[in-house]
Order: sequence, then C-alpha cells, then structure tokens
Amino acid sequence: LAKTTQPISMDSYEGQEVNITCSHNNIATNDYITWYQQFPSQGPRFIIQGYKTKVTNEVASLFIPADRKSSTLSLPRVSLSDTAVYYCLVGDMRGFQKLVFGTGTRLLVSP
Amino acid sequence: DAGVIQSPRHEVTEMGQEVTLRCKPISGHDYLFWYRQTMMRGLELLIYFNNNVPIDDSGMPEDRFSAKMPNASFSTLKIQPSEPRDSAVYFCASSGRGVGNQPQHFGDGTRLSIL
Repeated sequence: LAKTTQPISMDSYEGQEVNITCSHNNIATNDYITWYQQFPSQGPRFIIQGYKTKVTNEVASLFIPADRKSSTLSLPRVSLSDTAVYYCLVGDMRGFQKLVFGTGTRLLVSP
Repeated sequence: DAGVIQSPRHEVTEMGQEVTLRCKPISGHDYLFWYRQTMMRGLELLIYFNNNVPIDDSGMPEDRFSAKMPNASFSTLKIQPSEPRDSAVYFCASSGRGVGNQPQHFGDGTRLSIL
C-alpha cells in the first residue's frame, strides 16, 4: 500500500481557495488517488477520485502531476461548512484493496 | 437513495456486557466494511465482507470481537465481553465492487462508551 503524507492542519477564511497537498512517493502504476471528507459525528464521505492530470466535480478539483507522486485537492471558495478532516488515500484499481486512512488534514475555515 | 444505516447511534454500557452494533448497507452493494475510529489510532478497518462472506478479519482486535453478515442487507458487529478500551466510534461502510474503483459509503457511526 502506498503511504500518504499530508499536513496535519490548515486554516483558511471564507471565500478563499484551499489547496491540500498529499505526497505518495511510492504510488504504483495501478493506484488511484481518492479523497474523503469527514465532518464531526459523521462517517467519511467520498469527494473525488483520479488517476492523472485533473479531475473536477461539483465539489472539488484534483490535480495530479505527471509523476503522480503527489496530488492536490482544491476547494474553491470555501465556506464555514467546509470545516472538516480531509483524507487522501491511494489504492489499486485492479481489484479490492483495503483502504488505509491516515491522520488526514484538519481544515478550519473561519469567518 | 437511503445511505448506510447504523444502529444504535449511541450506546453506553458497563464493562462485561455484550454489545451488538447493526448495519444495513446500501442495496446492491457487494462489499461491507466495519471500521473503528479513536483519537489515538484514527480510522481502522476491522473486517470486510464480499457477497456476505468475511474476507479479511485481520483488523479485528481480539476474539471478543465477532462480525456476521447473514444476508445482503444486514450485518452485525458484536463485542463480548466489552471493555472500556473498546470505547470508540464504529462505522459501517459499503461499496459497489471494490475499494480501488468504487467509493465507500459510510454510515454515521455508533458511538460506543464502555464504563
């Protein structure tokens, strides 16, 4: 399993763009990158998944450079409700692989 | 669509008692997972099922823990006897085909307190 490293915490203000970077230096060829979001008293929630280049959905964008050794989750114009823990995970797409949640990044959005 | 449903949401009991946590996965999902979350250890996978069959229980902390999935729409996680160190939030999740290509959908968890 590819190990991931992300900042423990980040602070932002409402309306700003937030970029959370995750390092996964030993990512394998068949690994995909997935991000989850967890609010207090709730289970993690899938945000976005990608393999390379850029993926965008209604919630976030995921930027993956050519070497795929890192990825950046971009949250445009955050609001107070984006305060949560964000987890970066790497896993094989060919078949089942257990998810390993690290410590995640605790994002605090202030007014 | 109904998400993953867990019950109870909160459970407080005395050590030594049997605890049963319940989970109803999303209809049509093939995989079911049980996780435990604590401040010290984060989110840990305890066991997972594929098509109602337990595949990997290597994350189950000890024999006091057991999990069953009698049918595609129901699973239980049982702790007997319970101990204070079992206090945690227990999550159930389900997914369509596999971790690598389908996101896992989590329930809101059961907050377990063992006194």
